[in-house]
Amino acid sequence: IAGITQAPTSQILAAGRRMTLRCTQDMRHNAMYWYRQDLGLGLRLIHYSNTAGTTGKGEVPDGYSVSRANTDDFPLTLASAVPSQTSVYFCASSDEGGGAYNEQFFGPGTRLTVL
Amino acid sequence: AQTVTQSQPEMSVQEAETVTLSCTYDTSESDYYLFWYKQPPSRQMILVIRQEAYKQQNATENRFSVNFQKAAKSFSLKISDSQLGDAAMYFCAYRSAFAGNFNKFYFGSGTKLNVKP
Repeated sequence: IAGITQAPTSQILAAGRRMTLRCTQDMRHNAMYWYRQDLGLGLRLIHYSNTAGTTGKGEVPDGYSVSRANTDDFPLTLASAVPSQTSVYFCASSDEGGGAYNEQFFGPGTRLTVL
Repeated sequence: AQTVTQSQPEMSVQEAETVTLSCTYDTSESDYYLFWYKQPPSRQMILVIRQEAYKQQNATENRFSVNFQKAAKSFSLKISDSQLGDAAMYFCAYRSAFAGNFNKFYFGSGTKLNVKP
């Protein structure tokens, strides 16, 4: 069982370019999340999805968009990258069924550098 | 929005000794969940321990235990018999138990733990 995979592992991107970070989970979790991790700030939620077909905004959504066409995939798109989006991006998922609020499982992260 | 504060950016402990990492949080909610995550140099986030706010008993997982003080809004992590493999960044996290807010995890800024041989 792979859990959560993210691609690419790292990327250097020119400012103004469009970029999609991929996230796939094989645990059939209904909820998925995108975070960015910056030194001294911990993890901050960008967007989330409770179930396929629905998405919501987190703490820092500006400049990012997501889609949830199916249960397994939750891509994050930067329409026009800016240097302040240089960060490590984590995808996570959790099983929210049955009234049990379980922990989140995280992918290995994508290191993105915008020049 | 809830805030989570980890006031110790970095700590060190001798191998086999005990260390306590502190975490405080601010919330007006009565029911919630608290977590400690470990992030080793591999970057992978690993759940260490979780605590439900409605439970008075402190959670324990082998060498890891918490001191949950609900009134003080404090959630510290104690690592006993520290091992070299415990060296990592540790993040405290808060999550609401209410249906309208459960998607939103709030993380502290992290504490880097060094373990000296």
